[in-house]
Amino acid sequence: QKEVEQNSGPLSVPEGAIASLNCTYSDRGSQSFFWYRQYSGKSPELIMSIYSNGDKEDGRFTAQLNKASQYVSLLIRDSQPSDSATYLCAVKGGVWSNFGNEKLTFGTGTRLTIIP
Amino acid sequence: KAGVTQTPRYLIKTRGQQVTLSCSPISGHRSVSWYQQTPGQGLQFLFEYFSETQRNKGNFPGRFSGRQFSNSRSEMNVSTLELGDSALYLCASSLDSSRGANVLTFGAGSRLTVL
Repeated sequence: QKEVEQNSGPLSVPEGAIASLNCTYSDRGSQSFFWYRQYSGKSPELIMSIYSNGDKEDGRFTAQLNKASQYVSLLIRDSQPSDSATYLCAVKGGVWSNFGNEKLTFGTGTRLTIIP
Repeated sequence: KAGVTQTPRYLIKTRGQQVTLSCSPISGHRSVSWYQQTPGQGLQFLFEYFSETQRNKGNFPGRFSGRQFSNSRSEMNVSTLELGDSALYLCASSLDSSRGANVLTFGAGSRLTVL
């Protein structure tokens, strides 16, 4: 079982609709969760981080975390063609117990295509 | 504020050669991490350096090594290159502050092709 799993896609969503990206992780001790966006030929860029159960909203993006189910998701509202990219879910160990441990474990990413 | 700078951006080597990649972190960032990205395996953690010390290491053979200098700049070296080492090598830096989780900022990467 992979440590961080994502559906590789491609996921096609009409422009203006909600894109839903999902990620599951295996390490129950994980405390920090991140969503990175990577355009083709570019490096990953952070779009959301979440550390507590529940929802965290930032503009059109909402991250959702459920530690009991070991599940984290990213919702993109009012999807735009510029949102077409690969979205990487990344997980890190405890914020406090693993102080200084900067290792991120990434999923293989979900390729999202927004259809105009 | 300058971002994470990686050099060279592209390079081509042949099997058996060695390569050195360089990374300059964001000013003030003391932690530097290296990742390998390939289409089949995604992003794989290589190692992380903080204050010139390797603090974490991924599951890569000893051919992969790195170091960090007193100014936080880092280099990684791959010796005896194999075809499978062809990949995008990404460097990321973070503050490593004493509070909260640190966010990684990635450089543009060094794309290595081994022939």
